[in-house]
Amino acid sequence: DIQMTQSPSSLSASVGDRIVTITCRASRDISGFLNWYQQKRGKAPQLLIFASSRLRSGVPSRFSASGSGTDFTLTISSPQPEDFGTYYCQQSYSTPYTFGPGTIVDV
Amino acid sequence: QVQLQESGPGLVKPSQTLSLTCTVSGGSISSDGYYWSWIRQHPGKGLEWIGYIYYRGNVDYNSSLKSRASISLDTSKNQFSLKLTSVTAADTAMYYCARTDTTYYYDRSGFSSFFDDWGQGTLVTVSS
Repeated sequence: DIQMTQSPSSLSASVGDRIVTITCRASRDISGFLNWYQQKRGKAPQLLIFASSRLRSGVPSRFSASGSGTDFTLTISSPQPEDFGTYYCQQSYSTPYTFGPGTIVDV
Repeated sequence: QVQLQESGPGLVKPSQTLSLTCTVSGGSISSDGYYWSWIRQHPGKGLEWIGYIYYRGNVDYNSSLKSRASISLDTSKNQFSLKLTSVTAADTAMYYCARTDTTYYYDRSGFSSFFDDWGQGTLVTVSS
């Protein structure tokens, strides 16, 4: 199985911050088959980014992502209060699909 | 965008079988390119993909469940279901159903897949 790791495990951001960055690493090359989700407490995860860098329709443009191979990054530019939650990366290169452990973002 | 709704018992006794159903609305479960997944989340923990099914009968499971999981679908009701046998306390979790979109062509490596729509989740507790 492909193992996913994320860093940091948690971070605190302020509305005045310019950028928040979360890193995700796969245990082997997954090309660009990497997705990002946001989960708020008591809710189901929601898709933000698919195929490494494609923003899902309706997701604010302050979210962006990049990466290929084993290293990926999710960036939130000028984070807003509603961006709090836990962010997960997930590889879809091969089954079993696996998720990172999550990064808790406190805005 | 489709809507998904999980249903089933919230309490299951150890060694028994957990059975959940996901009802899909706003779209057909027989749509080409869309698989239907079950995902669970242990309390305060991360996400674990259980498996998926395609309307043509393709299924795949996470081997971590040691063949205890079985997913089926009922196209007449636009539903798919999960059965997990021989449950223990370790199976206590929030269970989500999700649509798995495999229609996005990434590159010559193939099609990307991602969970684009999720149910609200149902908490299943395994306890006597």
